[in-house]
Amino acid sequence: DIQVTQSPSSVAASVGDRVIITCRASQDVSTWLAWYQQKPGKAPKLLIYGASNLQSGVPSRFSGSGYGTDFTLTISSLQPEDFATYYCQQANSSPQSTFGQGTRLEIK
Amino acid sequence: QISLNESGPTLVKPTQTLTLTCTFSGFSLSTNGVGVGWVRQPPGKALEWLALIFWDDDKRYSPSLKSRLTITKDTSKNQVVLTMTTMDPVDTATYYCARRRYNIGWNWDYWGQGSLVTVSS
Repeated sequence: DIQVTQSPSSVAASVGDRVIITCRASQDVSTWLAWYQQKPGKAPKLLIYGASNLQSGVPSRFSGSGYGTDFTLTISSLQPEDFATYYCQQANSSPQSTFGQGTRLEIK
Repeated sequence: QISLNESGPTLVKPTQTLTLTCTFSGFSLSTNGVGVGWVRQPPGKALEWLALIFWDDDKRYSPSLKSRLTITKDTSKNQVVLTMTTMDPVDTATYYCARRRYNIGWNWDYWGQGSLVTVSS
């Protein structure tokens, strides 16, 4: 099974900051990597698919990069509504999909 | 307008079978490249994929839970049903149904609001 590991597990930042979250896959997943945002009590929301493709309707301050085993999600200028938990997910072994353990983004 | 909605019991006893129904609208599960599946999330924990059914009735399951899961669809009713046998307290979680599409890398683009299932005697 392909595992995905996120870091950090939590991060505190301020509005306007640039934040980078990383995801590492246990084996090569090419660009079959997605990022989701989840707010408390809500379903996850797809942000990025194919490692770097912005899902329709997602603000351009979100961006993704990476290939193979190492990936990043960057939020260029944090907004108040961005404080949430972020998950990466690999779909290389589709239909199996494995989620990371999550990164909680908190207000500093 | 695409929506998905989970329904089912909020409380089940250990050893019982859980049946959850996902009723969706705004798309068809007979469209090529579309699937509907289930993801769960124990309180305070990460997401876990459970099962997926494709437009062509192909069915796939999480290897770790495969023996306990069955997924079916009723295209005419726009419903997908998940059954999970031999429920245990560790299965307490919010269960989400969601749509998965090929042209966004087989990722989940629309989700239901989730259904919290508690397993307790």
